[in-house]
Amino acid sequence: DGGITQSPKYLFRKEGQNVTLSCEQNLNHDAMYWYRQDPGQGLRLIYYSQIVNDFQKGDIAEGYSVSREKKESFPLTVTSAQKNPTAFYLCASSNGPQGVGNTIYFGEGSWLTVV
Amino acid sequence: LAKTTQPISMDSYEGQEVNITCSHNNIATNDYITWYQQFPSQGPRFIIQGYKTKVTNEVASLFIPADRKSSTLSLPRVSLSDTAVYYCLVGSISFGTGRRALTFGSGTRLQVQP
Repeated sequence: DGGITQSPKYLFRKEGQNVTLSCEQNLNHDAMYWYRQDPGQGLRLIYYSQIVNDFQKGDIAEGYSVSREKKESFPLTVTSAQKNPTAFYLCASSNGPQGVGNTIYFGEGSWLTVV
Repeated sequence: LAKTTQPISMDSYEGQEVNITCSHNNIATNDYITWYQQFPSQGPRFIIQGYKTKVTNEVASLFIPADRKSSTLSLPRVSLSDTAVYYCLVGSISFGTGRRALTFGSGTRLQVQP
């Protein structure tokens, strides 16, 4: 089936550790995104990538890093510099970097909890 | 970047029609309007998208007035399974101009009662 796969679904991190959330898509989409969602809140954009080997900061990029070495993969690393990382993380992709009317497709999300 | 305003919550009963309005006063010429549905601990799911006038699909209708400064999502005959958060999203993906990607608002929490 085509879609976006995020792993793991649940992840626990100790203070001071870096963790990486995986995101893979087989939709052949050029653009990929990472959003953060806190309980009861909307989605906030962390990073996005228009094309392989290119990515841009979103609204809340501090304490996060990404890479886009392959079209289908866009992993997110939550570093120790992110002071409040406990949240629901959503990966998404869209079928074109340019133009209007493109739809964003989301993965099922990953819960990160700092213990 | 277009900012959206939606009601925080709405209540309805099964079988009723629900209309959720979103305000987007500074919508740009190239911006489309898209609505998503989200259940707890799941990714948002696309419902409908439009640019102007009216769009209808198998699950909803989207009404957009001529000035495009607002839009209304209409859900006919809701059921308990329609209880979810609904997001109005306005924007276009124009990375080449340096414009940032789509940004979501806080959404409308719809509660459907039996």
